[in-house]
Amino acid sequence: GQQLNQSPQSMFIQEGEDVSMNCTSSSIFNTWLWYKQDPGEGPVLLIALYKAGELTSNGRLTAQFGITRKDSFLNISASIPSDVGIYFCAGSTPEIGEAGNNRKLIWGLGTSLAVNP
Amino acid sequence: DADVTQTPRNRITKTGKRIMLECSQTKGHDRMYWYRQDPGLGLRLIYYSFDVKDINKGEISDGYSVSRQAQAKFSLSLESAIPNQTALYFCATSVRKGRDTEAFFGQGTRLTVV
Repeated sequence: GQQLNQSPQSMFIQEGEDVSMNCTSSSIFNTWLWYKQDPGEGPVLLIALYKAGELTSNGRLTAQFGITRKDSFLNISASIPSDVGIYFCAGSTPEIGEAGNNRKLIWGLGTSLAVNP
Repeated sequence: DADVTQTPRNRITKTGKRIMLECSQTKGHDRMYWYRQDPGLGLRLIYYSFDVKDINKGEISDGYSVSRQAQAKFSLSLESAIPNQTALYFCATSVRKGRDTEAFFGQGTRLTVV
């Protein structure tokens, strides 16, 4: 089945540093999503990308939908302690089946981010 | 109040017991999902429902069943719990049209099977 490769698996950085993580796929995706999960909570959507080449920001976060449609990256600028958590990428591809134009998300395994104050 | 509410938040149960995890949402979304999360394995889809009359198996449905009682309610049952079903379970919702892959998650249910 389809898989997403997310890297790095974990990062330990100093407060104020910039962070970069990425996801790659073996197949073309139509949508890329980036989520953050705080300890003991469910994932929360950070950024959604719908077009190849699209670059979207959400505060200090910036994500891009790769031109090949097989990758995406997330950057965090000037990290702060509350950025700690697990960041997940997720992608979707249309599945034409009995339910028509339905999509299911495929998830990366996450990047665990630790920030040293 | 949370838009996607899961109950219970924590549960310890014995092997062989039947257990139900419940999810309700106030977002008005048609689509609902159940995932489990295990360390190192990310999020894996158990079941999903695109409307009240539509139930579909995900990648790891064996040992689980679901019921979509209403648009706002989607419950997950473990018919006979086993220890390897110990995990963090998440319910999620999404809209039916347009940006229908933007899933919104509940806070999770931590299930321990002893």
